[in-house]
Amino acid sequence: QKEVEQDPGPLSVPEGAIVSLNCTYSNSAFQYFMWYRQYSRKGPELLMYTYSSGNKEDGRFTAQVDKSSKYISLFIRDSQPSDSATYLCAMSGLVEYGNKLVFGAGTILRVKS
Amino acid sequence: DVKVTQSSRYLVKRTGEKVFLECVQDMDHENMFWYRQDPGLGLRLIYFSYDVKMKEKGDIPEGYSVSREKKERFSLILESASTNQTSMYLCASSSGAVSYNEQFFGPGTRLTVL
Repeated sequence: QKEVEQDPGPLSVPEGAIVSLNCTYSNSAFQYFMWYRQYSRKGPELLMYTYSSGNKEDGRFTAQVDKSSKYISLFIRDSQPSDSATYLCAMSGLVEYGNKLVFGAGTILRVKS
Repeated sequence: DVKVTQSSRYLVKRTGEKVFLECVQDMDHENMFWYRQDPGLGLRLIYFSYDVKMKEKGDIPEGYSVSREKKERFSLILESASTNQTSMYLCASSSGAVSYNEQFFGPGTRLTVL
């Protein structure tokens, strides 16, 4: 079983839809949760970062962490064609864990105009 | 802006060749990473480095080695390329000692081994 599970999609939605992207994980030591966005033929870029449980909002994007369920989500409101990309969740524990990120497989999102 | 550059966008090599992938960052970051990205498998860590001349194995180091002679440069070496090393290779860098610091990625090198 992988430490981080993420449905690779592709997920295809119409413009304006609310998008929900999710990851589950097995390692209870994870404390830091990130979402990276990767456009075609580019490297990933950090989109949002959350520590421990709770919600974080940034414009049309909301990140949620539920540590009790080992489940994280990224919501995109009013999705735009420019949101079409691969979204990768990533997580890590404390420094002792090894200063590394563990990535999910990435979900391909396509927003149709 | 942080910039991470990789020496080639596309590379085609033959089985058994020695392959060098170069990565350079311009923000004086301590940490540098090499990943490979394959469909359905996401990013898998090959090697990383906290400092000059220092290296640590990641999750899939077999068949690879690395070199970090200067702080800004981190090289990935495929000693004898094989077809199962055909992949997208991504280099990243980050600052500080904590793992949640943002990693900045290069554009990737698409390597094909024939």
